[in-house]
Amino acid sequence: GENVEQHPSTLSVQEGDSAVIKCTYSDSASNYFPWYKQELGKGPQLIIDIRSNVGEKKDQRIAVTLNKTAKHFSLHITETQPEDSAVYFCAASMGGSYSSASKIIFGSGTRLSIRP
Amino acid sequence: NAGVTQTPKFQVLKTGQSMTLQCAQDMNHEYMSWYRQDPGMGLRLIHYSVGAGITDQGEVPNGYNVSRSTTEDFPLRLLSAAPSQTSVYFCATQKGLAVLQETQYFGPGTRLLVL
Repeated sequence: GENVEQHPSTLSVQEGDSAVIKCTYSDSASNYFPWYKQELGKGPQLIIDIRSNVGEKKDQRIAVTLNKTAKHFSLHITETQPEDSAVYFCAASMGGSYSSASKIIFGSGTRLSIRP
Repeated sequence: NAGVTQTPKFQVLKTGQSMTLQCAQDMNHEYMSWYRQDPGMGLRLIHYSVGAGITDQGEVPNGYNVSRSTTEDFPLRLLSAAPSQTSVYFCATQKGLAVLQETQYFGPGTRLLVL
């Protein structure tokens, strides 16, 4: 089955610098790759997603890149701010069908800390 | 519009006790699911439902039961709690399974401690 590995497990960056979190997946049939942000005491919240027919997607300071050949995808946060401090999860799934409903697999998470 | 609500927020159980974690949504989403979150292991799917009357097992279903009698509610039952079930439990909903309906919306979580 699908396996998603996420690195690093913790990341500390200076405010204003960029942060990069990387994930690899094992199942080439995966076609949907969401990223979630989880703040302390709250549930995960989707911040950006990408589908396998797209190589890059950007939303203000957040961008995600996908390399289907290498089976890895990355989250990039530029101009980091204190409110970016949270745990970030990547995930991979074969979306779009009943059989895919149980196949969304999450990475183990990255705790991002922004130093003032 | 409350989105996804979960009750209780925190619960302490003794080994062998039973309880039900409640999840409700007001978004008319077809798909609902339960995850557990343990340190260093991300989120693991316990059970899911693609509609009222339909449920199926996820990655870690043992020790848990679910039912889906209405679109809005998806309770998770622990019949005989064990310390290994100490975790944070999240309910999530999704509009459907078609492309562009895959965004999951998570509830605030229930923190469960089994002694």
